[in-house]
Amino acid sequence: DIQMTQSPSSLSTSVGDRVTITCRASQSISSYLNWYQQKPGQAPKLLIYAASSLQSGVPSRFSGSGSGTDFTLTISSLQPEDFATYYCQQTYSTTITFGQGTRLEIK
Amino acid sequence: QVQLVQSGAEVKKPGASVKVSCKASGYTFTVYFMHWVRQAPGQGLEWMGRINPNSGGTNYAQKFQGRVTMTRDTSISTAYMELSRLRSDDTAIYYCARENRSAANDYWGQGTLVTVSS
Repeated sequence: DIQMTQSPSSLSTSVGDRVTITCRASQSISSYLNWYQQKPGQAPKLLIYAASSLQSGVPSRFSGSGSGTDFTLTISSLQPEDFATYYCQQTYSTTITFGQGTRLEIK
Repeated sequence: QVQLVQSGAEVKKPGASVKVSCKASGYTFTVYFMHWVRQAPGQGLEWMGRINPNSGGTNYAQKFQGRVTMTRDTSISTAYMELSRLRSDDTAIYYCARENRSAANDYWGQGTLVTVSS
C-alpha cells in the first residue's frame, strides 16, 4: 500500500497566520491527492481535489500544490473556523490511503 | 441537493456482524462509486473499500478482505456495508462517502457509530 505521511502532526497557530501542511507519498501518485478538513463530531469535508483544485464553496484562502510524492496544503490567513484536523488522501492506487492527520490548535 | 443518510448507531457483541446502510438522494445513484471509511475513537481515517453501484463490483482494503461485504440496492438508492466477526477494535464511526469524477469524496454521510462490547 502507498503510505502517506503528513507533517506536522499538530501545530499551534494563531488567527491570521499563514499555515502550510505537507503530505509525502511513499511512491509517485501523480496528482491524485485530496485534502479534507474534519471538525470534532463532524464528517470530513473535501477542500482540495486533484492536488490543487478548490472544491466548490471552499474559501479561497485554502490552496493546494504539488505532484509526484510531495504535496502541500496552505491556508493563507487562518480564521477561527479553520481550527480542525486536516487529512490528505491518495486515490492513485486501487487501495486508497489517508495521511495520519494534522491537528491545528489555537496558540 | 446531494444527501447521504446513514442508519443509526449499533451495539454489537464480539463475533457478531453489523450491517450499515447509506441512502443516497439528490443525484443518480448508479453513476458514482460509493466508499466506506471508518474512524476509531480519537484516531484517523481508514479506508475500507468501495462499490460501483452500477455493476455491484467492489474493491476492499486487504485488511478487511474476508470480513467486509459491500452491496447495494439500486431500487432504493442505498448502499450497505456489512462487517462480520466483530472485535472490540472495530468500534468506530463508519462513514459512506461518494466519489466524484475527480476521484475525491465530495459528499459524506453523517456517520454511524458501531460499538463492539461484551
